[in-house]
Amino acid sequence: DIQMTQSPSSLSASVGDRVTITCRASQGISNYLAWYQQKPGKVPDLLIYAASALQSGVPSRFSGSGSGTDFTLTITNLQPEDVATYYCQKYDSAPYTFGQGTKLEIK
Amino acid sequence: QVQLVESGGGVVQPGTSLRLSCAVSGFTFNTYGMHWVRQAPGRGLEWVAVISSDGSYKFYADSVRGRFTISRDNSKNTLYLEMNSLRPEDMAVYFCPKPTLRAGYFEYWGQGALVTVSS
Repeated sequence: DIQMTQSPSSLSASVGDRVTITCRASQGISNYLAWYQQKPGKVPDLLIYAASALQSGVPSRFSGSGSGTDFTLTITNLQPEDVATYYCQKYDSAPYTFGQGTKLEIK
Repeated sequence: QVQLVESGGGVVQPGTSLRLSCAVSGFTFNTYGMHWVRQAPGRGLEWVAVISSDGSYKFYADSVRGRFTISRDNSKNTLYLEMNSLRPEDMAVYFCPKPTLRAGYFEYWGQGALVTVSS
């Protein structure tokens, strides 16, 4: 099975910063990659699908890139409400594995 | 509007069984493959199982294969997860998120059903 590895596991950044989270697949998955945001005590929200397509209603400060095995979620102009854990997920075929998550905090 | 309501969670002893249900509304259930995803307390998301729209195809995570069974009743707009031989590591909130029509990423999530496995 394809493994999904996110890095870093956690990070702390300041309001206004640019933040980058990476997700690596152990084999190529084309662009079948989604990103989710899960705020404390809440269910996950879809941010990005097809590696770079922004889900409706998601602020434009979120962006995704990558294809094959290496993917990136970028948050520009970090806001306090972006405190959350972020997950990538492959959906090319079963199993639809999630990355282990990246916990983002504000300094 | 799309609604997904998971139910059937509870406190069970190791080795016992439990069946979760997911009642859906707001979309044409019988045209969507459906999934179960779980999240152990303080842990990340774990994909559990998928079933095709007509129920003919099923696939499971290694961690539950042989113990869990996913099924659906399209006449009742309901998805099920039969969980047998439960282990402490199965303790989690179980979600049945709605995927898109053609891809296995999840647009909508219910609040989940909490399964506690403890002696």
